Amino acid sequence: NAGVTQTPKFRVLKTGQSMTLLCAQDMNHEYMYWYRQDPGMGLRLIHYSVGEGTTAKGEVPDGYNVSRLKKQNFLLGLESAAPSQTSVYFCASSYSDRVQAFFGQGTRLTVV
Amino acid sequence: RKEVEQDPGPFNVPEGATVAFNCTYSNSASQSFFWYRQDCRKEPKLLMSVYSSGNEDGRFTAQLNRASQYISLLIRDSKLSDSATYLCVVQTNTNAGKSTFGDGTTLTVKP
Repeated sequence: NAGVTQTPKFRVLKTGQSMTLLCAQDMNHEYMYWYRQDPGMGLRLIHYSVGEGTTAKGEVPDGYNVSRLKKQNFLLGLESAAPSQTSVYFCASSYSDRVQAFFGQGTRLTVV
Repeated sequence: RKEVEQDPGPFNVPEGATVAFNCTYSNSASQSFFWYRQDCRKEPKLLMSVYSSGNEDGRFTAQLNRASQYISLLIRDSKLSDSATYLCVVQTNTNAGKSTFGDGTTLTVKP
């Protein structure tokens, strides 16, 4: 029972490079989320999805894009990475919007 | 003002102590409340939901005060393994799928 799986776990990018973070969940959840967490801070919502084919902006969407082509996958893209995007990225999923979310183990991204 | 505010701590307590954390929220339309636990360099995991009538799970008790717009978490008989960061999470019905996280309160339980 994998739950929520994020790939990769670690990545170092140069400024201006692009990359895609993959989140996969095997719980048949409708809702999926991408958060970033900076040192000493809580999680801030980047984008979220309430179902296959839908996406919506969260609190800090600038510089990121997402896609939810399949229910089980939620992709987060950085088109042109900047040092300010150095962070830990967490993906999460839930079966509705009022219950607990299950988190992936995180992706530690460093942009140099 | 942040939507969800927590005392960052750190709280340093001896084993066996009782410790309480508070979390205030600004949106009176908030409907769902949770406490998550996050260990160092790990993902957050649900500790407990917070119900209007208050709820208890072993050594942990959560309370909700809608009038004053805060929730609390009480940990009795602290264990070394309780050392972690505790995140308060608030959801509103008007933002489907959106949870607002507090910045977390760090607890260290010492022998």
